[in-house]
Amino acid sequence: SQQGEEDPQALSIQEGENATMNCSYKTSINNLQWYRQNSGRGLVHLILIRSNEREKHSGRLRVTLDTSKKSSSLLITASRAADTASYFCATPGEGGSEKLVFGKGTKLTVNP
Amino acid sequence: GAVVSQHPSRVICKSGTSVKIECRSLDFQATTMFWYRQFPKKSLMLMATSNEGSKATYEQGVEKDKFLINHASLTLSTLTVTSAHPEDSSFYICSASGRTATQETQYFGPGTRLLVL
Repeated sequence: SQQGEEDPQALSIQEGENATMNCSYKTSINNLQWYRQNSGRGLVHLILIRSNEREKHSGRLRVTLDTSKKSSSLLITASRAADTASYFCATPGEGGSEKLVFGKGTKLTVNP
Repeated sequence: GAVVSQHPSRVICKSGTSVKIECRSLDFQATTMFWYRQFPKKSLMLMATSNEGSKATYEQGVEKDKFLINHASLTLSTLTVTSAHPEDSSFYICSASGRTATQETQYFGPGTRLLVL
């Protein structure tokens, strides 16, 4: 079954605006990761947040994790055209295995 | 650090032929490598997990005789699509995790686009 589900599926904003993407998951996890994928390319790791953390920052990225609601959000502040990409959340596979289970992704378009 | 390369980046082949895709970790030892398949505008689907020196573990529904995976060294894994058919056309991405990189994080290659005619 799909572990991570992002919403919205697509988001279009103007440069300078903030973009918020959400991810929900089903099982207990010890960490959650966000990845970015430019069209036709591999994924780039953005940030990992552990289950004992509520919020984490990295540059213009802010990730929150609410384990009681089994949800996470990724906020990109002051967006740029170069932020245009698909963003995926990923959670560990069953039993905390090394496998990652990816959500369907949010396609973000930042218009100049 | 933690760079993963894939070769080739793009390949076109005739139906019935076999295609080999290489995945290399350039600056770390990849104890585990993963192979994914991605359809247009879709998420990544894990095909198999391979640990160096042992047989790959395939996900349910993935034919191990069709998608041969070899992880002969700590820096190289290969995926061979045997007797390729047009429905095998897809974007194949590998990732790696390992001892000297953050183990929970996977580092992805740039992907290989396969088109089977």
